[in-house]
Amino acid sequence: EIVMTQSPATLSVSPGERVTLSCRASQSVSTSLAWYQQKLGQAPRLLIYGASTRATGIPARFSGSGSGTEFTLTISSLESEDFAVYYCQQYNSRTFGGGTKVEIK
Amino acid sequence: EVQLVESGGGLVQPGRSLRLSCRTSGFNFGDYSMSWVRQAPGKGLEWVGFIRSKTFGGTTDYAASVKGRYTISRDDSKSIVYLQMNSLKTDDTALYYCSRGGNESPLDCWGQGTLVTVSS
Repeated sequence: EIVMTQSPATLSVSPGERVTLSCRASQSVSTSLAWYQQKLGQAPRLLIYGASTRATGIPARFSGSGSGTEFTLTISSLESEDFAVYYCQQYNSRTFGGGTKVEIK
Repeated sequence: EVQLVESGGGLVQPGRSLRLSCRTSGFNFGDYSMSWVRQAPGKGLEWVGFIRSKTFGGTTDYAASVKGRYTISRDDSKSIVYLQMNSLKTDDTALYYCSRGGNESPLDCWGQGTLVTVSS
C-alpha cells in the first residue's frame, strides 16, 4: 500500500502570504496525484490533478508541482477564503494523505 | 449542473446493516466510475471503495478496513450508486461521501455526505 504523508499538519499564515504544502509518497506515483480543499462543514473540492493541472474553476493562485514521490501545492497569495484543510491523494491506489490545516495566524 | 445527493444514513447498532444511496444528475452516469469516501468525526478522508463503469467491467475495489463487509453497486438506468454496509462497527461512524471518479482518476465531484452513526 502506498502511504501519503503531508507536512506540516498545521500551518498558521496571514492573508497575502505565499503558502507551500508538501505531500510525499512512500513509492513513486508518477504524476497520479490530486489535491483537494475542504472548508469547515463542506465536502472536499478537487483543486489539482495530474500533479499540476488545475481543475475547472480553480483560481490561478493555486499551483501544483512534483512527480515521483515529492509534491507541492502552492498558494501564491493567500486569501481569506483559502483557510481550509488540504489533502493530497494518489489516485491509482486511492490513498489520501492526512491533511494540512491552513489557519489564520 | 452535476449533482450528487447521498441518503440513507442514520443511527444503527453494531453488527447491523445499512444501505446508502447516491443519486446523481447532470452527467452521463454510465460513463463514470463512482467512489465512496468517508470521514470520521474530526478526522481526515478515508477512501472506502469504488465501482468501475460497465465499460470497464463494473468491477469493484475496497479499502482493507471494509473489504468483505461493504458492497458497492450501481444502477445505470437510475444514475444511482449504492453502498451496502454489513456487520457495522463503531469505527465505521463517519460522514460518507459519494464522488465521481476513482478508476485511476481524481474525484472531481462530491456530494454533501450522509452521516452514519454506529452505536448501541
